[in-house]
Amino acid sequence: AQSVTQPDIHITVSEGASLELRCNYSYGATPYLFWYVQSPGQGLQLLLKYFSGDTLVQGIKGFEAEFKRSQSSFNLRKPSVHWSDAAEYFCAVVHASGGSYIPTFGRGTSLIVHP
Amino acid sequence: DAGVTQSPTHLIKTRGQHVTLRCSPISGHKSVSWYQQVLGQGPQFIFQYYEKEERGRGNFPDRFSARQFPNYSSELNVNALLLGDSALYLCASSSVWDTEAFFGQGTRLTVV
Repeated sequence: AQSVTQPDIHITVSEGASLELRCNYSYGATPYLFWYVQSPGQGLQLLLKYFSGDTLVQGIKGFEAEFKRSQSSFNLRKPSVHWSDAAEYFCAVVHASGGSYIPTFGRGTSLIVHP
Repeated sequence: DAGVTQSPTHLIKTRGQHVTLRCSPISGHKSVSWYQQVLGQGPQFIFQYYEKEERGRGNFPDRFSARQFPNYSSELNVNALLLGDSALYLCASSSVWDTEAFFGQGTRLTVV
């Protein structure tokens, strides 16, 4: 069964600093991988996705993520964090084959941004 | 363009009652998924429907059921509510069944 681990429950950074949120997955085949962001009381917004091809993917709001098969990781990065980036971030892996679609989300990382 | 809309936004029910949550997908999207998000956790997949057929089912008891209508809107039904069913219920739609999903703002269900 697939699983997703986000080892950091909280991350605190200063505004303008760089950011890396970690995501490790367990899945037997090439996964579909996603990063979502959730602001308080809101639904989830897709930041970026990886299906195949280039292992470095660019997303919205200046975010990028790198798929590393050897490390089973899909870490999210941003070179300079803005105060508006404070939110909950979720990594997800999707098993999509044989007509079925089963997504699994990590428990999330809460990003706190200090001025 | 309207995004995914869910109704109601908030709901309070008593243990043992039944609840129906509704979701309208983005226009043109044929797939709808349902998730349960307990406070402090990531969303847990409940169901996915595509063209009115169930494409995926998460690890939830039979008290949870769903259906998709010809206009691609969907209902999630939960019977015999338990305190542990209190959560944010999220609906997501996608154009086909295996692409990225767009989420609604959710229905906050409180069971007392």
